[in-house]
Amino acid sequence: AQSVSQHNHHVILSEAASLELGCNYSYGGTVNLFWYVQYPGQHLQLLLKYFSGDPLVKGIKGFEAEFIKSKFSFNLRKPSVQWSDTAEYFCAVRSGSGNTGKLIFGQGTTLQVKP
Amino acid sequence: DTEVTQTPKHLVMGMTNKKSLKCEQHMGHRAMYWYKQKAKKPPELMFVYSYEKLSINESVPSRFSPECPNSSLLNLHLHALQPEDSALYLCASSQVPSGVSSYEQYFGPGTRLTVT
Repeated sequence: AQSVSQHNHHVILSEAASLELGCNYSYGGTVNLFWYVQYPGQHLQLLLKYFSGDPLVKGIKGFEAEFIKSKFSFNLRKPSVQWSDTAEYFCAVRSGSGNTGKLIFGQGTTLQVKP
Repeated sequence: DTEVTQTPKHLVMGMTNKKSLKCEQHMGHRAMYWYKQKAKKPPELMFVYSYEKLSINESVPSRFSPECPNSSLLNLHLHALQPEDSALYLCASSQVPSGVSSYEQYFGPGTRLTVT
């Protein structure tokens, strides 16, 4: 079965520190990859997505992610975090083919940024 | 307009009650989804509708009954729920995925359900 693994469950950083959140998936076929963010009390928002093409994708709010097919990874990065980045971050994968939009979410990473 | 709206925001119901959750989008999306999310956990898919037809039911108990009356609306009818069904219920919509292409899902704010 397909699965998504986020290695960091709880990350605490100071403002201006660099961020990297790990995401690995288990599926050998074509995948669509997503990072969603859930700010406290708010709904899930898409940060960025990868469907094909350039494996380095840029998203909103200065976030980027790199798809490394050989490592089945899609890690999220930000060079300098802000207090407002405090949130829950979810990596998600949709396996290819067919017309089902089924997303498999990772367990999430809680990011706490200290001012 | 990239908004998915859900009503009500909060709902408290007893185990013998019947209630409904509503979801609406006006983005022209023909795929709509119900998820259940427990605190500090990822969303868990419950149902998927594609072109107003149920395409995925993730073995959800029959006390949850989805309905898609038209392309903009999605309902979740609740009956005889258990306290463990208390959670945040999220609705999402997207274009219908085609082949190996996919589309991001837009999520609503959710309905916070408490079963007493």
